[in-house]
Amino acid sequence: AQSVTQPDIHITVSEGASLELRCNYSYGATPYLFWYVQSPGQGLQLLLKYFSGDTLVQGIKGFEAEFKRSQSSFNLRKPSVHWSDAAEYFCAVGANQAGTALIFGKGTTLSVSS
Amino acid sequence: DTGVSQDPRHKITKRGQNVTFRCDPISEHNRLYWYRQTLGQGPEFLTYFQNEAQLEKSRLLSDRFSAERPKGSFSTLEIQRTEQGDSAMYLCASSWDNYEQYFGPGTRLTVT
Repeated sequence: AQSVTQPDIHITVSEGASLELRCNYSYGATPYLFWYVQSPGQGLQLLLKYFSGDTLVQGIKGFEAEFKRSQSSFNLRKPSVHWSDAAEYFCAVGANQAGTALIFGKGTTLSVSS
Repeated sequence: DTGVSQDPRHKITKRGQNVTFRCDPISEHNRLYWYRQTLGQGPEFLTYFQNEAQLEKSRLLSDRFSAERPKGSFSTLEIQRTEQGDSAMYLCASSWDNYEQYFGPGTRLTVT
């Protein structure tokens, strides 16, 4: 079955420290992978995506993610976290064709301490 | 381009009532998706349109739910005879002929 696992429900990071959010997926075909961020009461904003090619992808707001096929992982990283990064982060997987449903993980809530 | 918009942003209704939500996608996008998100969960797919055709429906979309996209532009999602379990955030997303789905702010439904 297709699924996305985000092992960490809640992470607290000090402002200025580095961040890594984990994402593992189970997908039968070549997946397209996404990270979205959701602020309280808001919709989802696309941070970055991986379709093919370079396995290290850059996104908005200084985020990057690395696709590791052997580990079925697509972890999100940021070298220095800002207080405004506090939000909920969702990893999602989709088929490599337009018009297919995304399968989301349950999300990781990021808190940033000063 | 104003992004995906949804109306209303919040809806409180009594159990048994019908509710309808509207989604206006990004103007040039031909694909439109509905998702539902409950507390502590990621969004779950409900249904998908390409232009005016509803091409896919999740088993989550019970008979009480119906979605339309009559002219291939805006879409409506109606829930009949609402139940407390319908309380959730209903998210709409749109895309062009690619893989990036852009989400609206959602409609928060509370069934009392």
